[in-house]
Amino acid sequence: DTEVTQTPKHLVMGMTNKKSLKCEQHMGHRAMYWYKQKAKKPPELMFVYSYEKLSINESVPSRFSPECPNSSLLNLHLHALQPEDSALYLCASSQDGTVFYGYTFGSGTRLTVV
Amino acid sequence: EDKVVQSPLSLVVHEGDTVTLNCSYEVTNFRSLLWYKQEKKAPTFLFMLTSSGIEKKSGRLSSILDKKELFSILNITATQTGDSAIYLCAVNYGGSQGNLIFGKGTKLSVKP
Repeated sequence: DTEVTQTPKHLVMGMTNKKSLKCEQHMGHRAMYWYKQKAKKPPELMFVYSYEKLSINESVPSRFSPECPNSSLLNLHLHALQPEDSALYLCASSQDGTVFYGYTFGSGTRLTVV
Repeated sequence: EDKVVQSPLSLVVHEGDTVTLNCSYEVTNFRSLLWYKQEKKAPTFLFMLTSSGIEKKSGRLSSILDKKELFSILNITATQTGDSAIYLCAVNYGGSQGNLIFGKGTKLSVKP
């Protein structure tokens, strides 16, 4: 298995809803990442987990809450989002956080906040 | 400030043309440079470059890194309409983390 799987593929949520994005990989990678990508912009790093510990939080608002239950799973919990949070959310993983052995993206979750 | 600059931002060519996409960077503690192709969804990996002057090749695509002049190029020969996409350059930098900083991308349109 050489894939990073993200669910759901599409999500529409209201500003008062609570939802979660899920990311899973079974490549034995020990670093996992969340990116946000707005239309016609490059991906922007949100969070980095290394060996299941949060190592980087790029000043992301607290309405985004990451969780890494185990080495294969990464969640992004969403609460009280704003319409400007609508974007493509990408998960990625790498073998050990150094990127030298590859850096794989999931197919993304297209999030729309209404 | 760390930055990755791609040029051109957009490019329109006809099938069969050869294109060269550019990526220059200024980062502290450079580790590697990656090229991705992004169509409708997630970026798909093309190349990772860590050493200067060694060309990486995959079919009609090739790429090379110049660590002295701090740039990389991505070449696509005999372009096809399926090559139409945004090509992203990203640089891994910094400490022990797999941090990537992305350029804004080059939007390539290949017309029949």
